[in-house]
Amino acid sequence: DIVMTQSPLFLPVTPGEPASISCRSNQSLLYSNGYNYLDWYLQKPGQSPQILIYLGSNRASGVPDRFSGSGSGTDFTLKISRVEAEDVGVYYCIQPLQIPYTFGQGTKLEIK
Amino acid sequence: QVELVQSGAEVKTPGASVKVSCKASGYTFTDDYMNWVRQAPGQGLEWMGWINFNTGDTKYAQKFQGRVTMTRDTSINTVFMELSGLRSDDTAVYYCARDGAADVATYFDYWGQGTPVTVSS
Repeated sequence: DIVMTQSPLFLPVTPGEPASISCRSNQSLLYSNGYNYLDWYLQKPGQSPQILIYLGSNRASGVPDRFSGSGSGTDFTLKISRVEAEDVGVYYCIQPLQIPYTFGQGTKLEIK
Repeated sequence: QVELVQSGAEVKTPGASVKVSCKASGYTFTDDYMNWVRQAPGQGLEWMGWINFNTGDTKYAQKFQGRVTMTRDTSINTVFMELSGLRSDDTAVYYCARDGAADVATYFDYWGQGTPVTVSS
């Protein structure tokens, strides 16, 4: 199974400041079609997860442009340019390239 | 709008089976993949498998092979996930999540509200 490792696991951020989460895989997520199969989700408190970024860097419909994804191969980053109060929750990366799909451990973002 | 509505909370004894349903409203399943993801209390997300609504084809995580069965009923626009041989560590919230991505992408654009399953003697 592909192992996904996120860091940090806990991220306190001041509103208006940027935030960055790393996700690393132990196998390349770059497929032969040129796409990186790495998605990001946010699970807000008490809610189901919601998609933020797919294929490494594509924002899903309705996602604010302060969220961006980058990276390739085994090393990926989710960035929030200016954190807002509504961004609190747990962020997960997932690789949907190989069965079983595997998630990172999650990064809990809280507001300072 | 699209909504996935799951069945209600379940309490089961060890060794029993549970069957969770996920019904789409505002949308008709076609050639979609419906995934099941679970989350143990205070823990992260764990992918269990998917079912293709059109063909009924399934793919399960090896961890659940032999214990999980995913089915669908096209007449009522509903998918089901049955987990047998329940153990205490199967206590979790179970989510259905639609892979509605087009073309080459794979991502879950709609999620059910979650079904808590408690396994306790």
